[in-house]
Formats: sequence, C-alpha cells, structure tokens
Amino acid sequence: LAKTTQPISMDSYEGQEVNITCSHNNIATNDYITWYQQFPSQGPRFIIQGYKTKVTNEVASLFIPADRKSSTLSLPRVSLSDTAVYYCLVGFKAAGNKLTFGGGTRVLVKP
Amino acid sequence: DTGVSQNPRHKITKRGQNVTFRCDPISEHNRLYWYRQTLGQGPEFLTYFQNEAQLEKSRLLSDRFSAERPKGSFSTLEIQRTEQGDSAMYLCASSLVRWDGDGYTFGSGTRLTVV
Repeated sequence: LAKTTQPISMDSYEGQEVNITCSHNNIATNDYITWYQQFPSQGPRFIIQGYKTKVTNEVASLFIPADRKSSTLSLPRVSLSDTAVYYCLVGFKAAGNKLTFGGGTRVLVKP
Repeated sequence: DTGVSQNPRHKITKRGQNVTFRCDPISEHNRLYWYRQTLGQGPEFLTYFQNEAQLEKSRLLSDRFSAERPKGSFSTLEIQRTEQGDSAMYLCASSLVRWDGDGYTFGSGTRLTVV
C-alpha cells in the first residue's frame, strides 16, 4: 500500500479556505485517493475520493496533479465545526479493500 | 437505516476480565471491519468479514482477541484477559463488496478503558 505523508496539524480561522496537501510518492496505477474526516469520539466519515485532476462535492474539493504523487484537499470557507482530523488514504478501489490510515492532519478552526 | 451501531459506547473493566463488543452494520452491507484507535493515532485495521467469513486478520489481533459474525449480520469482538494496553477506541465499519466511492461507514466506536 502506498505510504502517505501529511502535516500533523494546521490552524485556520472561520471563513478561510483550508488546503491540506498529502504526499504519496509511490502511488500505484490502480490506487485511488480518499479523504476521511473524524471528529472526537466519532468514527471517520468519508469526505471525497478521486483518481486524477479535480473532484468537487458539496463538502470539499480534491486536486490531484498529473503525476498523482500528491493531492490537496480543499475545504472552502471553514467554520468552527470543521475542526477535526483529516486523513488521506491511498488504495485500490476494488471489492471493499481495507483502508489503511496514517496519523492524519489535525485542523483547528479558530473564531 | 440508522447507520452502523456499536454497543456499548463505553466500557470500563479491570485487568484480566473478558469484554465483548457488538457491531450492527448497515443491513445491506456484506463487509464488516474492525479497527482499533489509540489517542492521537489513526485507526488500525484488526480484521474483516465478508458475510460470515473472516477473510483477514491483522498481526495486531493477538490470541486474546476473537471476532465473529455468525449469520453475516452483526459481529462481536471479544477480548479475553484484558490488559492495560488494550485500552483504546474500537471502531466497526461496513461496506458493500462492490464499493463504488461511498467508502466505508463507521460506527461511533466503543471506548474501552482497562484499569
């Protein structure tokens, strides 16, 4: 499984855009990039998934350059409730392959 | 469907006692996973089932740990002779075999404290 590296923590303020970059230099051809969000005392929650270029949903955007060796999760106009840990995962999108979590990025949104 | 349900939410036990946790997945999901998470760390994979078959177990799952999914629906995770190092959040997740981007659905976990 491809190893991921992401910042340990980030601080932001309400209304700002938060960008979290994840490095995955040895990503394989079949690997997808998936981001999860976790609040304290809750299980992780799926945010977004992509393979290349850009993916956008109602929660976030995911930017993936052509070489796919990194990806950036973008959270637009964050609020206090976006304070959470964000995990970048890389793996094969097939038949429910198990997910391997790293340490994640702790995002603190300040008023 | 109310999502993945885990019981109990919290469990405090004395070292050496046995504990059992239960997970009720989303009804149409045929895959069920157990993870363990300690403070400040990401979840670590323990084991998973497809229907009632246990298909993979992590090396983290020592002989004191056993998981079952007898009818391919709910699952139980039992820890025998608990140790203080077993203190963690135990998370259950479920998914369809033909996962198509929606990912896993996790429960809220069972927090175990061994004293």
